[in-house]
Amino acid sequence: GQQVMQIPQYQHVQEGEDFTTYCNSSTTLSNIQWYKQRPGGHPVFLIQLVKSGEVKKQKRLTFQFGEAKKNSSLHITATQTTDVGTYFCAGPTRSARQLTFGSGTQLTVLP
Amino acid sequence: NAGVTQTPKFQVLKTGQSMTLQCAQDMNHNSMYWYRQDPGMGLRLIYYSASEGTTDKGEVPNGYNVSRLNKREFSLRLESAAPSQTSVYFCASTGGQGNTGELFFGEGSRLTVL
Repeated sequence: GQQVMQIPQYQHVQEGEDFTTYCNSSTTLSNIQWYKQRPGGHPVFLIQLVKSGEVKKQKRLTFQFGEAKKNSSLHITATQTTDVGTYFCAGPTRSARQLTFGSGTQLTVLP
Repeated sequence: NAGVTQTPKFQVLKTGQSMTLQCAQDMNHNSMYWYRQDPGMGLRLIYYSASEGTTDKGEVPNGYNVSRLNKREFSLRLESAAPSQTSVYFCASTGGQGNTGELFFGEGSRLTVL
């Protein structure tokens, strides 16, 4: 079945440093979504990318969708303690009726 | 605006006991989902309902049953709980066609099976 892999699993950064998480799919995706989950909380939708090579920005967060639509990345510039949490990517299955989530990258920001 | 509401938030069961997790959404969404989350394994889909009256198995359906009671409500039942079902359970819904829409999650139900 379809697999969505995310690396790294954990990342510790000093406040002010940059952070990047990568997502790779075993199949071509029609779109990819990103979610953030704060410690003890629930996943919250961040963004959806649809077009090949698409780049979207939300303040210090930059999201990219690969040209082949099989990979994606989330980059955070100058991390803050409010960025702490686990970031998940998710892509639709072939039937397009459900999402497959990556295993997530847990970000710790040290003050 | 409540969004997606799950009950209970916490539950402790003994092996073999049964229980039902309740989920309701007030956004008039067609599709609803049940996920479980275990450390290091992300979110795994248990069951989903693409529309009222339909349910389908996800990645890890064994040991669970679901009911789409109406458009608002989607319940998850454990008939005979096992320690392997200790997890955090999330209900989610979307108004998009299948998976193309943003998922809205409930706050989660933390289940421990002794």
